[in-house]
Amino acid sequence: ENVLTQSPGTLSLSSGERATLSCRASRSVSGNYFAWYQQKPGQAPRLLIYDTSKRATGVPDRFSGSGSGTDFTLTISRLEPEDFAVYYCQQYGGSPLYTFGQGTKLEIK
Amino acid sequence: QVQLQESGPGLVKPSGTLSLTCAVSGDSISNNYWFSWVRQPPGKGLEWIGEIWHTGSTNYNPSLKSRVTISIDKSKNQFSLDLNSVTAADTAVYYCVKNGWYSLDSWGRGTLATAS
Repeated sequence: ENVLTQSPGTLSLSSGERATLSCRASRSVSGNYFAWYQQKPGQAPRLLIYDTSKRATGVPDRFSGSGSGTDFTLTISRLEPEDFAVYYCQQYGGSPLYTFGQGTKLEIK
Repeated sequence: QVQLQESGPGLVKPSGTLSLTCAVSGDSISNNYWFSWVRQPPGKGLEWIGEIWHTGSTNYNPSLKSRVTISIDKSKNQFSLDLNSVTAADTAVYYCVKNGWYSLDSWGRGTLATAS
């Protein structure tokens, strides 16, 4: 299993600041098939980024993804009030096909 | 745009079988998509359970493979999850999902299934 470890566990920032969320894989991610999701309380996760750096439909351009191999990053350039949520990373490949990180909670400082 | 809606009993007895259905609307389930089930225990993270192709081909999470069956009913445009021998550890919100490009791009609202 390709284990994903997200850091930090909790990130406290203010609106307008830049957020950098990290995810490290225990093994190299094949094809850089890597994604990020946002989840708000009581809601289903929402796909933000796929294929490491491609934004899903309707995702604002303040969200960007980067990385390769075992280290991946989600950056939110200027935080808006609606961005405070839990973020999960996900990789594809190996067994099981999909694994997720444990989540980073982005909270208002 | 495709929409997914989970349904099924909210309460399952321990050692029993959890059965859920996902109704797909806005697109045909016979198009070239994989569909998945993902679960999330209360207050915890996400776990991928398995996926199915419109031909009926499946892939499962090895940790659940011995207890899981995912099936498809093209005539009803829906797919289903059966999880047997449930315990309290299977209590979770269960999501049905349309797969995207090596990602999970359209999610149902989720349904809470409690083993008790």
